[in-house]
Amino acid sequence: RKEVEQDPGPFNVPEGATVAFNCTYSNSASQSFFWYRQDCRKEPKLLMSVYSSGNEDGRFTAQLNRASQYISLLIRDSKLSDSATYLCVVGPGGGSYIPTFGRGTSLIVHP
Amino acid sequence: ETGVTQSPTHLIKTRGQQVTLRCSSQSGHNTVSWYQQALGQGPQFIFQYYREEENGRGNFPPRFSGLQFPNYSSELNVNALELDDSALYLCASSLGQRDTNAGYTFGSGTRLTVV
Repeated sequence: RKEVEQDPGPFNVPEGATVAFNCTYSNSASQSFFWYRQDCRKEPKLLMSVYSSGNEDGRFTAQLNRASQYISLLIRDSKLSDSATYLCVVGPGGGSYIPTFGRGTSLIVHP
Repeated sequence: ETGVTQSPTHLIKTRGQQVTLRCSSQSGHNTVSWYQQALGQGPQFIFQYYREEENGRGNFPPRFSGLQFPNYSSELNVNALELDDSALYLCASSLGQRDTNAGYTFGSGTRLTVV
């Protein structure tokens, strides 16, 4: 089992749709979780951290399920500008200092 | 606040050559991590430097080596380049090796093409 797994997609949705991505992780000792956004041929940029209680930033909601070892990202009212790859990142735990990236989920929002 | 800067932005090398990529960390950050991102894949961890010492290494051969300088800038060196080394090389800086809550700040990357 890979350390961090994501469905690569692409998820192809119309503007205004709600879309959700999941990401599973294998290290139960992991302590921190993030979602990054990566535009084509650009560097990843931090979208939001994921807290145990869940957190929301505008149209974006992130949640953590420690029991099932997955995190999710929900995007409401999708915009064309949301088209990008969304990378799940699982932070260190169990003595490791190194966060691990998933391969990313591609989102395409069309008119 | 100065962000993470990488140089060069693009590079073309021939198989068997050597390459050095450079990274200046964000002001105040003492930890630099290097990642390799092949097309269609997530970033793969190469190694991390904390206060000039290697602090962890991913599954990359010894021909991938690095340095961190007293000002916390860093270099990634790759010897005996192979075609599969073609990728986007990302440098990320953070404050402290145990700074697990703030996420990484990435440079814009160096796109290496090996022909």
